Amino acid sequence: GQNIDQPTEMTATEGAIVQINCTYQTSGFNGLFWYQQHAGEAPTFLSYNVLDGLEEKGRFSSFLSRSKGYSYLLLKELQMKDSASYLCAVKNSNYQLIWGAGTKLIIKP
Amino acid sequence: GAVVSQHPSRVICKSGTSVKIECRSLDFQATTMFWYRQFPKKSLMLMATSNEGSKATYEQGVEKDKFLINHASLTLSTLTVTSAHPEDSSFYICSARETELKAFFGQGTRLTVV
Repeated sequence: GQNIDQPTEMTATEGAIVQINCTYQTSGFNGLFWYQQHAGEAPTFLSYNVLDGLEEKGRFSSFLSRSKGYSYLLLKELQMKDSASYLCAVKNSNYQLIWGAGTKLIIKP
Repeated sequence: GAVVSQHPSRVICKSGTSVKIECRSLDFQATTMFWYRQFPKKSLMLMATSNEGSKATYEQGVEKDKFLINHASLTLSTLTVTSAHPEDSSFYICSARETELKAFFGQGTRLTVV
């Protein structure tokens, strides 16, 4: 089967750095996405990786290793507004998006 | 950036009634739109793929007679939950595809069936 695994919940401190991991097993690979979702709202796009390596975008960075079926989202200089769920999604060979259940990130002062 | 508008954002309906949710792409044409359902603490579940001018493609386990999808134009898709029951209460989200790699989400609709 196809599945995406990510931790259910993480806690971090304001101003710190947190890394959210995502491992995947899918039928083929055509890219990995990270989305941010605040409670009661739709997801918003954060990043897209299709090649191995690190993509940096401001305070957020995303890393991909296709050989390991692994990605992480790195959030720096955490702010209270970063408290949200972070969803990992992989596009498989049929261009279907397979979603993880999301990681709820709690930021403490 | 591209905007997708979903309406209503919240709706409460009585059991047995039908509810229509609209999804509009405001500044691009979307030949393909997706409808998702999300349960608390669960991942987004794709319900169906809506293609303009043709029948929607439903995922396994999704009742097509209960969740009616119409994609009559390049900017509008609707999801009608027919004869709603409390177990249909959920967060419904649409997504409109601008290009193969770019899709944008609507704001989501919180449906509560009482």
